[in-house]
Amino acid sequence: DIQMTQSPSSLSASVGDRVTITCRASQDIGNFLAWFQQRPGKAPKSLIYAASSLQSGVPSKFSGSGSGTDFTLTISSLQPEDFATYYCQQYNSFPLTFGGGTKVEVK
Amino acid sequence: EVQLLESGGGLVQPGGSLRLSCEASGFTFSTYAMSWVRQAPGKGLEWVSIISDNGGDTQYADSVKGRFTISRDNSKNTVYMQMNGLRAEDTAVYYCAKGSGGGYPQSRNFDCWGQGTLVTVSS
Repeated sequence: DIQMTQSPSSLSASVGDRVTITCRASQDIGNFLAWFQQRPGKAPKSLIYAASSLQSGVPSKFSGSGSGTDFTLTISSLQPEDFATYYCQQYNSFPLTFGGGTKVEVK
Repeated sequence: EVQLLESGGGLVQPGGSLRLSCEASGFTFSTYAMSWVRQAPGKGLEWVSIISDNGGDTQYADSVKGRFTISRDNSKNTVYMQMNGLRAEDTAVYYCAKGSGGGYPQSRNFDCWGQGTLVTVSS
């Protein structure tokens, strides 16, 4: 199975900050990497697919990069609605696997 | 507007069975793969199973293989998860998720999620 490791597991930030989250795969997954946002008590929401493509309707403050084993999600200017938990997921091979999540909290 | 509505969750004793349903609307259901993903209380996301657009191909996580069965009825725009031999560790919110396409790799990329249904396995 492909292990997905996110770092940090949590971070504190302020409104307006630029935030970067890292996701590392245990083997090469090409660009078959997605990012999701989950607000407390809510269902996950798809943000990015194919490592860097924005899902329809997702604001451009979210961006993704990387390929192979190392990926990043960047939020350019954190807004109150962005405080949430973020997950990466590989869809290169079965079983599909998620990272452990990164909780973005208010500083 | 794409909508996914899960139902069928509840409290069940260890060893019991439950069938979850996910009714879809707002898109041509028969041309998209569908998945189930679960989240134990306070934990992260865990993929459970996927079914192809025509139902001919399925995959499962090892943790549920042999106990859970995914199926779909394209005439009813609904995907199901039959859960047998339930264990305490199956306690979770179960989400259905829509693939962004029917083929590879789009089928494995989730672009829309339901609101989830809670399954609690306890005596």
